[in-house]
Amino acid sequence: SQQGEEDPQALSIQEGENATMNCSYKTSINNLQWYRQNSGRGLVHLILIRSNEREKHSGRLRVTLDTSKKSSSLLITASRAADTASYFCAAGNRDDKIIFGKGTRLHILP
Amino acid sequence: SAVISQKPSRDICQRGTSLTIQCQVDSQVTMMFWYRQQPGQSLTLIATANQGSEATYESGFVIDKFPISRPNLTFSTLTVSNMSPEDSSIYLCSGLGTTSGRARDTQYFGPGTRLTVL
Repeated sequence: SQQGEEDPQALSIQEGENATMNCSYKTSINNLQWYRQNSGRGLVHLILIRSNEREKHSGRLRVTLDTSKKSSSLLITASRAADTASYFCAAGNRDDKIIFGKGTRLHILP
Repeated sequence: SAVISQKPSRDICQRGTSLTIQCQVDSQVTMMFWYRQQPGQSLTLIATANQGSEATYESGFVIDKFPISRPNLTFSTLTVSNMSPEDSSIYLCSGLGTTSGRARDTQYFGPGTRLTVL
């Protein structure tokens, strides 16, 4: 069963704008990971945030984690056409398994 | 990041046949997993591949249908047995934790195997 739920399910924005995707999960976690998947291809690991962290940055990516609300957000700043992809959050449990959310399909308009 | 390769990258198979997918990691990992991604869907965990012992399957997946081997710390196989069109999916393996100093809790994925069953 799905651990995480992303919203929105789909998002279209103009190039240069910021994109924000949210993820909620159900049980306690050790970490939360975000992945990108281009159409029909493998998953690229973007960033991992641990349960004792609140915010993390990597280049144009900013991830926040609120364990009290069991939610996380991924912000992509200054979006580019190459950011068009599906984005998944994955909640890491104590037994080292990660359970994926349904994903957000992001489309960057030229 | 860990480099994970899978073979084959894609295949088209007939109903009732079986396909074995190979997963190779470039360094020793503590854990390996197999996932399925049905068209337009997210990833669903099939099982944890345990080195030298039987895999641990998630609810809804059984060993007779998806036998898994992991003879060492860098290699695993998943077999999709007695296939039907409903098995058409992308199958991905992943590795977690390494002995080479990489982030222990980051899970890296292979490129996936796209399976079509006719």
